[in-house]
Amino acid sequence: DAGVIQSPRHEVTEMGQEVTLRCKPISGHDYLFWYRQTMMRGLELLIYFNNNVPIDDSGMPEDRFSAKMPNASFSTLKIQPSEPRDSAVYFCASSLGQVGTEAFFGQGTRLTVV
Amino acid sequence: AQKVTQAQTEISVVEKEDVTLDCVYETRDTTYYLFWYKQPPSGELVFLIRRNSFDEQNEISGRYSWNFQKSTSSFNFTITASQVVDSAVYFCALSERQTGANNLFFGTGTRLTVIP
Repeated sequence: DAGVIQSPRHEVTEMGQEVTLRCKPISGHDYLFWYRQTMMRGLELLIYFNNNVPIDDSGMPEDRFSAKMPNASFSTLKIQPSEPRDSAVYFCASSLGQVGTEAFFGQGTRLTVV
Repeated sequence: AQKVTQAQTEISVVEKEDVTLDCVYETRDTTYYLFWYKQPPSGELVFLIRRNSFDEQNEISGRYSWNFQKSTSSFNFTITASQVVDSAVYFCALSERQTGANNLFFGTGTRLTVIP
């Protein structure tokens, strides 16, 4: 398996623009997670899905952030409008449903909002 | 409340030295899971190990070993005979059964630099 695939790897955008990050989880995994990594806050969970359904989005910073999972093999994280403080590395991860199973991470998308 | 504490922000060792990375966790759940991940300079997060709360047996994998002690709520990671390729940020993480899924609470990480 190719692992979790994220695109793009790097994104530079201007403040106010819409940004869409994409993720393809490992085939067969039924949990998908979006994490954000910043120097100030470290790694924090934004939202996670189980069988394509959002379960907990309490980590989503504000209404400018939205995430979807239209099918088992694809998810998006959208920021509209983007702000400089959204600059971070965004990771997607997937895991099997058993509690305590390790999550496998993608290579991340480094977002820079100028 | 901080669930995972990695008090060591940065550590530098000379190649071939042993090094231990500390991790202290906090949970009220009786069933929980502990993890270590490695983040090399390339940026990806690489899974290293998982332990559950009912298994305190220490584990060794090559130059890596892990010491899980429930009495002190610690899950420390030792690298023996460190190598330059071990230079990375290492994260300890916790997941709790009561949250119902595998969402991980990460520590702030320890940056390890191995000097040749």
